[in-house]
Amino acid sequence: DQQVKQNSPSLSVQEGRISILNCDYTNSMFDYFLWYKKYPAEGPTFLISISSIKDKNEDGRFTVFLNKSAKHLSLHIVPSQPGDSAVYFCAASAGNNNDMRFGAGTRLTVKP
Amino acid sequence: GAGVSQTPSNKVTEKGKYVELRCDPISGHTALYWYRQSLGQGPEFLIYFQGTGAADDSGLPNDRFFAVRPEGSVSTLKIQRTERGDSAVYLCASSLEGQGRETQYFGPGTRLLVL
Repeated sequence: DQQVKQNSPSLSVQEGRISILNCDYTNSMFDYFLWYKKYPAEGPTFLISISSIKDKNEDGRFTVFLNKSAKHLSLHIVPSQPGDSAVYFCAASAGNNNDMRFGAGTRLTVKP
Repeated sequence: GAGVSQTPSNKVTEKGKYVELRCDPISGHTALYWYRQSLGQGPEFLIYFQGTGAADDSGLPNDRFFAVRPEGSVSTLKIQRTERGDSAVYLCASSLEGQGRETQYFGPGTRLLVL
């Protein structure tokens, strides 16, 4: 069962504009959320995370927003750069459980 | 420092054969994870090791899949009687202690193709 869903398989934005990647989850036990970035032929690399006690976490150009009531989170990248072009995975876990559930990913293309 | 490494990078086998996939975690990391990523999907959790022991193997799809980590470092994922549906990228990750909210560092994966 898909407990973490990324409904947009792809997104294309212009360099300098904002990229918004969305993620929905169904398991109300999830209390920690992460975004991973993946380039071709490489493993996913950790980008940013957020605990359910927060609704926003910011790190440079990357901000993650969490809406617990809607079971929705989003990753904002601003300004977007061509090097941000990659597949972005949303992941979630519950308690101290190391079993992360991943979404199917969104392929972001940033055009120069 | 060296990251997580996985060998082989690609493996082609025939249906019914046995395969072993190897993972070398980051030195000093006690926690090790295996994931499977099928085409068009995100990584799917298979098993988690804390030291030498499998702390959680709830993600293994059936008894054809087995993993070991005898000395608490290198891990081998073993698949018996491979089926075409086993074709996927098998990812390994490690983290420092496996406690709470730790970042998992992923290797590049082994791409398995079962003909």
